[in-house]
Amino acid sequence: GENVEQHPSTLSVQEGDSAVIKCTYSDSASNYFPWYKQELGKRPQLIIDIRSNVGEKKDQRIAVTLNKTAKHFSLHITETQPEDSAVYFCAASPAGTASKLTFGTGTRLQVTL
Amino acid sequence: DAGVTQSPTHLIKTRGQHVTLRCSPISGHKSVSWYQQVLGQGPQFIFQYYEKEERGRGNFPDRFSARQFPNYSSELNVNALLLGDSALYLCASSLARGNYGYTFGSGTRLTVV
Repeated sequence: GENVEQHPSTLSVQEGDSAVIKCTYSDSASNYFPWYKQELGKRPQLIIDIRSNVGEKKDQRIAVTLNKTAKHFSLHITETQPEDSAVYFCAASPAGTASKLTFGTGTRLQVTL
Repeated sequence: DAGVTQSPTHLIKTRGQHVTLRCSPISGHKSVSWYQQVLGQGPQFIFQYYEKEERGRGNFPDRFSARQFPNYSSELNVNALLLGDSALYLCASSLARGNYGYTFGSGTRLTVV
């Protein structure tokens, strides 16, 4: 089955700096790669996703890049703000009707003033 | 429009007992998936249901079962509870069988003592 590794496990940046979180996956059949933000005690919320026919996608301060050959994808947050502090999860999923998300272990991002 | 609603929000059970968790998807969503999130880890896929049929199953024992009703709501049942079943149980709904556009509910926090 699919295995997703995520690094780093914790990340501390100063407000205004950029943050990068990296994930690798094992199943070449995976073609959908979402990123979720989970604040303490709350549900995971989808912040951006990318499909395998696209190499990069951007939404305001958030971008995701995908390298299918190397089987890795990354989340980039620019101009970080204190409200970006949360746990971020990457996930991968194969195409198909009975698809499922395999999540990484999470990155705790702390944005300090 | 209401989001994905789950009940109860919190639950305490004793080892060996049985538990039923409930999920109502977003109106119009026909696919419901269940995930288990142990503290400090990413969510793990348990089941996907679409049009009242099981479409996918994760690596969980037969003590875990689920069903989907004609109104697309769903129940997750866990028998013979173990301490290790303590976790946040998340329900996610989407329009179609595919994985795109998952929306998670706030979850049920189950504690087994």
